[in-house]
Amino acid sequence: TQLLEQSPQFLSIQEGENLTVYCNSSSVFSSLQWYRQEPGEGPVLLVTVVTGGEVKKLKRLTFQFGDARKDSSLHITAAQPGDTGLYLCAGFISNFGNEKLTFGTGTRLTIIP
Amino acid sequence: KAGVTQTPRYLIKTRGQQVTLSCSPISGHRSVSWYQQTPGQGLQFLFEYFSETQRNKGNFPGRFSGRQFSNSRSEMNVSTLELGDSALYLCASSLAYGPTDTQYFGPGTRLTVL
Repeated sequence: TQLLEQSPQFLSIQEGENLTVYCNSSSVFSSLQWYRQEPGEGPVLLVTVVTGGEVKKLKRLTFQFGDARKDSSLHITAAQPGDTGLYLCAGFISNFGNEKLTFGTGTRLTIIP
Repeated sequence: KAGVTQTPRYLIKTRGQQVTLSCSPISGHRSVSWYQQTPGQGLQFLFEYFSETQRNKGNFPGRFSGRQFSNSRSEMNVSTLELGDSALYLCASSLAYGPTDTQYFGPGTRLTVL
């Protein structure tokens, strides 16, 4: 059972369009991170959100952490081909001091020039 | 500053064999964690080491083991390989391991089991 479900699983859109990727769970997370992974490389951290309701912006990317710290969204404005990649959300679940980073199922994004 | 390096980058083994993968963290980082990435299961946590001690372990069988050396370099070993062990094995390093720590991933080792 995946603790973190991402939707959509695949997304292919034209350059210049906007998009939103969702990350949902029934568990509460200490923090939630978003990564982007390109072929042949490891994931690269984009952002960490810690507080419920927190919104962070990174150029054309806007990240939001749900009020209850169970879900998050990533919104990209005016998508560019360089945004193509696998987007992964990941959350730390605290379990009696043993914290583990749990990754979502991933969203594979393709931006068509 | 050099990034996380993993060796080898590609590996082909047969069922029943064992394999050792190596990870060199970013200089100064004391935490090293390992993940398995497959198309079906996604990225799954294997274990995490800090100062030569395993602090966290994921839900993998005992065939998967690891260790960390005094210079923070880490190795993971998989014994009695199965076809399902074919995956990209990723190593990540960080100063510490927690909700606000940034993990830096290496490029991974692609293991194929025939």
